[in-house]
Amino acid sequence: EDKVVQSPLSLVVHEGDTVTLNCSYEVTNFRSLLWYKQEKKAPTFLFMLTSSGIEKKSGRLSSILDKKELSSILNITATQTGDSAIYLCAVNRNNDMRFGAGTRLTVKP
Amino acid sequence: NAGVTQTPKFQVLKTGQSMTLQCAQDMNHNSMYWYRQDPGMGLRLIYYSASEGTTDKGEVPNGYNVSRLNKREFSLRLESAAPSQTSVYFCASSRDRGYNEQFFGPGTRLTVL
Repeated sequence: EDKVVQSPLSLVVHEGDTVTLNCSYEVTNFRSLLWYKQEKKAPTFLFMLTSSGIEKKSGRLSSILDKKELSSILNITATQTGDSAIYLCAVNRNNDMRFGAGTRLTVKP
Repeated sequence: NAGVTQTPKFQVLKTGQSMTLQCAQDMNHNSMYWYRQDPGMGLRLIYYSASEGTTDKGEVPNGYNVSRLNKREFSLRLESAAPSQTSVYFCASSRDRGYNEQFFGPGTRLTVL
């Protein structure tokens, strides 16, 4: 059965720390892998990755896909309290998207 | 440009009652989706509509029905609500299925007593 597994499930850090969130997947008909940030309400889109080894970057956030290892990481450098959220990994298949359970990140001042 | 809108924001039902959750998007997207989110379980797909006129089951379709009313609107119906359907429901849309990111509505918090 297709699955998307994220680790760790939760993480507490202090402002200024760097964090790495992991996502591994086993899915048929892989199309792309996406990262979302969810604060209080709806998930908001961060990155979509389709090719191995090409880093996507937005400010302090970056992400990369390894299709050989069936995994992706999301890095956040110099964390801020505003980065506190649930980070969701999702894999686009032919027809739909399968989500992981998410990593809850808490950044303390 | 409102994006994806959902109504209602909150709802409390008694076991056995029925209700319809409404979703609309103004981005001219072809594909629309309904998810439920439960603590510790991420988002699980209930039903999706790859294009106007088509609907398909997702991961957890039991107890739900959907209607793709037109290109903009996709509704989710609970015919006989059960406590196990207490959850937060999200509607989403994407340009097409497969390669595009999905845009999410604000969610509906449903409690079934």
